[in-house]
Amino acid sequence: NAGVTQTPKFQVLKTGQSMTLQCAQDMNHEYMSWYRQDPGMGLRLIHYSVGAGITDQGEVPNGYNVSRSTTEDFPLRLLSAAPSQTSVYFCASSVSRSPNYGYTFGSGTRLTVV
Amino acid sequence: DAKTTQPNSMESNEEEPVHLPCNHSTISGTDYIHWYRQLPSQGPEYVIHGLTSNVNNRMASLAIAEDRKSSTLILHRATLRDAAVYYCILRSTDGGSNYKLTFGKGTLLTVNP
Repeated sequence: NAGVTQTPKFQVLKTGQSMTLQCAQDMNHEYMSWYRQDPGMGLRLIHYSVGAGITDQGEVPNGYNVSRSTTEDFPLRLLSAAPSQTSVYFCASSVSRSPNYGYTFGSGTRLTVV
Repeated sequence: DAKTTQPNSMESNEEEPVHLPCNHSTISGTDYIHWYRQLPSQGPEYVIHGLTSNVNNRMASLAIAEDRKSSTLILHRATLRDAAVYYCILRSTDGGSNYKLTFGKGTLLTVNP
């Protein structure tokens, strides 16, 4: 049981480049989400999905796109990387969005934009 | 969102119990109390959650005050692996934001060998 798998673990991008952070879960979880963690800011929600084909914006969606074509995968796309997007990114999934369930987080992608 | 207050840091000795407090005086009747922890250089890890009654699982116990204005996460025998930042988070069943986890600064737990 792998849980939530994020790739890559580390990435360095140049300003203006694009890339996709991968997230996959093998628990048949309905709900998936992306957070970013910055020093002193805590985790902030970027985008989330309540099921295949359904996505919505979180607190800090600008500069990021998502899609959910399958239950298992929820990739996060950086359209044109900026130094302000230097952060640690975490993908999380849950059985549902109900607060009566906990979230499973991936181990994170550490992104540096130079 | 209802707010939680936790001590910035706590220290414990290995193999001793640890009681991590959380105050949430503005909690509403529909708010669940969740605890997560984050080990160094890792993603957050779900620990436990509850609504009104005390809860136990393989990782910890959650004691909820009768008025629900505070709760305590109990680690029965701390190990070095329990050294982490512990977050107490409220999640409501009301409204459109019940999906969101709002992480505060949490409590940094240090475990001494």
